[in-house]
Amino acid sequence: GAVVSQHPSWVICKSGTSVKIECRSLDFQATTMFWYRQFPKQSLMLMATSNEGSKATYEQGVEKDKFLINHASLTLSTLTVTSAHPEDSSFYICSARDLARVFGQPQHFGDGTRLSIL
Amino acid sequence: GNSVTQMEGPVTLSEEAFLTINCTYTATGYPSLFWYVQYPGEGLQLLLKATKADDKGSNKGFEATYRKETTSFHLEKGSVQVSDSAVYFCALSVEENNNDMRFGAGTRLTVKP
Repeated sequence: GAVVSQHPSWVICKSGTSVKIECRSLDFQATTMFWYRQFPKQSLMLMATSNEGSKATYEQGVEKDKFLINHASLTLSTLTVTSAHPEDSSFYICSARDLARVFGQPQHFGDGTRLSIL
Repeated sequence: GNSVTQMEGPVTLSEEAFLTINCTYTATGYPSLFWYVQYPGEGLQLLLKATKADDKGSNKGFEATYRKETTSFHLEKGSVQVSDSAVYFCALSVEENNNDMRFGAGTRLTVKP
């Protein structure tokens, strides 16, 4: 089945550091990828929709200068948390949808990245 | 707008008990409905889906039927196992809305031996 690889799975860094998270679709092409944030024991919150070759679409309340998204190819999207602070600590999950999609095609999720800012 | 409401947890059951996790939705257009499962420290895995009214999705003993009249997609399993302990998310996707997915709050299930 479709596989989405997310890297790194866990990162701990100092406040003020910028952190890049990669999301790759391994066996399909994805013009659209999605970035979610999940707080402990809560649901996923959609942060932004990443579009290959164009600017990402951010949800209301998400700072686009804080969370930089680049979708340079049909198989790779990156999320960079710039100048991270402790309040940015969270579980970040990406997902992707197959380019050759059929109606009702689900999103395929990566395993998530746990970001801890000290 | 599009939204999903699912039963609050946590839910604790004994092994071999019957499971129901309620999920209702509100959507403009014709949504596809999904159940995802999240094991500790992992991302979401698709459990089952249904794309039109009266469709039944099933996988690993879990079932859910798309009920348009009640706008529901309740998850059921006849006999749960300890390995089913996880968080379950109901979700919908409306094709007209650029395919973004809306999730319920999640229901944590713990199955005790």
